[in-house]
Amino acid sequence: LAKTTQPISMDSYEGQEVNITCSHNNIATNDYITWYQQFPSQGPRFIIQGYKTKVTNEVASLFIPADRKSSTLSLPRVSLSDTAVYYCLVGDSRNTPLVFGKGTRLSVIA
Amino acid sequence: DAGVIQSPRHEVTEMGQEVTLRCKPISGHNSLFWYRQTMMRGLELLIYFNNNVPIDDSGMPEDRFSAKMPNASFSTLKIQPSEPRDSAVYFCASSLVRTRGNSGEQYFGPGTRLTVT
Repeated sequence: LAKTTQPISMDSYEGQEVNITCSHNNIATNDYITWYQQFPSQGPRFIIQGYKTKVTNEVASLFIPADRKSSTLSLPRVSLSDTAVYYCLVGDSRNTPLVFGKGTRLSVIA
Repeated sequence: DAGVIQSPRHEVTEMGQEVTLRCKPISGHNSLFWYRQTMMRGLELLIYFNNNVPIDDSGMPEDRFSAKMPNASFSTLKIQPSEPRDSAVYFCASSLVRTRGNSGEQYFGPGTRLTVT
């Protein structure tokens, strides 16, 4: 399984753009990169998924360089409600399920 | 769709008792996952079913834990006998897996908070 490394925690002020980078040096050719968000007392929630270059939806953008050994989740103009743990996961080409790491705890400050 | 449904939402039991957690996945999904979350160990995958068949149970802590999926719309996770160290939040998730390398977007239930005293 491809292993991921991401910062344990990050702080940001409201209204700022937040970029969370995840390293996945041994990503396989068929692997996808997926990000989840988890609020306290809730299950994780899918945010975005991509394979290469850039993906954007109504919540976030995902930037993936050509070598795919890292990815960056970008949250535009965060608000207090974006305070959560963000997980980066990389799909296994054997189609076994994704493994959640420790995630990045984002704290948004007013 | 109502999403993934789990019951009970909270369970308090005494050490040694049997505990059964229940999950109803989203209709049409072909994969089901059981996770356990604690502060110390984070979110751990316990077992994974595809088309009702257990594919990977390497995350099941020990023989006290067992999981079944008798049909596409129901799964159980049983702990017998329960121990204080089993206290955690147990999540069930389901997804539609289409291609290799893509486990599909997982939809999580609200979780069951288990406390074993």
